[in-house]
Amino acid sequence: AQTVTQSQPEMSVQEAETVTLSCTYDTSESDYYLFWYKQPPSRQMILVIRQEAYKQQNATENRFSVNFQKAAKSFSLKISDSQLGDAAMYFCAYRSTLGPNKLVFGAGTILRVKS
Amino acid sequence: DTAVSQTPKYLVTQMGNDKSIKCEQNLGHDTMYWYKQDSKKFLKIMFSYNNKELIINETVPNRFSPKSPDKAHLNLHINSLELGDSAVYFCASSLGLAGGRGDTQYFGPGTRLTVL
Repeated sequence: AQTVTQSQPEMSVQEAETVTLSCTYDTSESDYYLFWYKQPPSRQMILVIRQEAYKQQNATENRFSVNFQKAAKSFSLKISDSQLGDAAMYFCAYRSTLGPNKLVFGAGTILRVKS
Repeated sequence: DTAVSQTPKYLVTQMGNDKSIKCEQNLGHDTMYWYKQDSKKFLKIMFSYNNKELIINETVPNRFSPKSPDKAHLNLHINSLELGDSAVYFCASSLGLAGGRGDTQYFGPGTRLTVL
């Protein structure tokens, strides 16, 4: 079974600075999807960014980008120009392309943004 | 317009009661899901339905019974509530079933269930 590990329970960043959240995963599959979801205090789960394993190019969405290292099974999220509204819990998630569509989540990283 | 909605947002009840949480999506998706987020914020899938058919049942106690009257709705009924059922329950939906590229899951706002 696939597992997702987020080794940083909590991170802090100064407003306007850059922060990187780590995620590693374990799988024997070659094709899969990886996601970062954000959960602010409102509790809503918001998709931040998605990466397809067959694509070598790292995904980017405005201030959010990933560093996808397939061989190392690493999928980190970089947030540039951090804003107060980025403060949230961030979850890394894995989805296989085999079998039913289900997300396997990491334990999450709390991101605090200091003004 | 809310894409995935859940009612109620908060539910406080006594042990032993039976309660339901409703979920509706207006995205035209075929697949819907229930996830449970425990007190440590860990998220785990419980069920998924595709076009009213049960696809995933992840070792959830029989007290939990999902019901899908149509593909836009997936309700969660819980019998004989226990203290350990206290959690946030998220509904989600996606366009397809499996293997599809770019098949992202979109989440509802969550229902915080507190069992006293």
